[in-house]
Amino acid sequence: QSALTQPPSASGSPGQSVTISCTGTSSDVGDYNYVSWYQQHPGKAPKLMVYEVTKRPSGVPDRFSGSKSGNTASLTVSGLQADDEADYYCSSYAGNYNWVFGGGTKLTVL
Amino acid sequence: QVQLQESGPGLVKPSQTLSLICTVSGGSITSGGYYWSWIRQPAGKGLEWIGRIYPNGETNYNPSLKSRVTISIDTSNNQFSLKLSSVTAADTAVYYCGKDLLSGTSQGGIANWGQGTLVTVSS
Repeated sequence: QSALTQPPSASGSPGQSVTISCTGTSSDVGDYNYVSWYQQHPGKAPKLMVYEVTKRPSGVPDRFSGSKSGNTASLTVSGLQADDEADYYCSSYAGNYNWVFGGGTKLTVL
Repeated sequence: QVQLQESGPGLVKPSQTLSLICTVSGGSITSGGYYWSWIRQPAGKGLEWIGRIYPNGETNYNPSLKSRVTISIDTSNNQFSLKLSSVTAADTAVYYCGKDLLSGTSQGGIANWGQGTLVTVSS
């Protein structure tokens, strides 16, 4: 069982927006602004899409945005494209030099 | 752009020690003061952070694996390695090595990943 809870699936039509949640506790997501989001296509390594809750690494489109409220972080993908179909994982610092991941959400572009 | 490549046996017997090496190319493992990590992913499941190492040898481990994990660094060969002892079938997974996004801290996540290597624990 993963430390962070994500919905197993999410979906949206091309051009629409979809939001994926990531629920932790007051000891991880709620206590630190160190939430990252990764995109993983089948058979590929994860790719960092968002870090420190809201920041995007160079080269990541601004269609991907992150936010946090309390113990729950969220990733919003706007203007859905076919290539956005992938698994998405959240990660958070959990204190004591330990990092935890969510179980992943499969995003389907209808 | 730095590249990472995992290598090691794809099959390990139960109770034995899993050993993997991550070779870094395109830059020095000591340059910039970045942490280097190991992460694993059982088939069809989520990611699990195993641990990290700094170029000076400082390490941190996932508490759930700490008693069985050793991560070390070989700066002369631009490599870092993972050893996981007393393995069971539950340790069967794709193992990834990675480099942090931000210098001196892992708060920014892992920006560079190896392609991953499947390790199966079976007799």
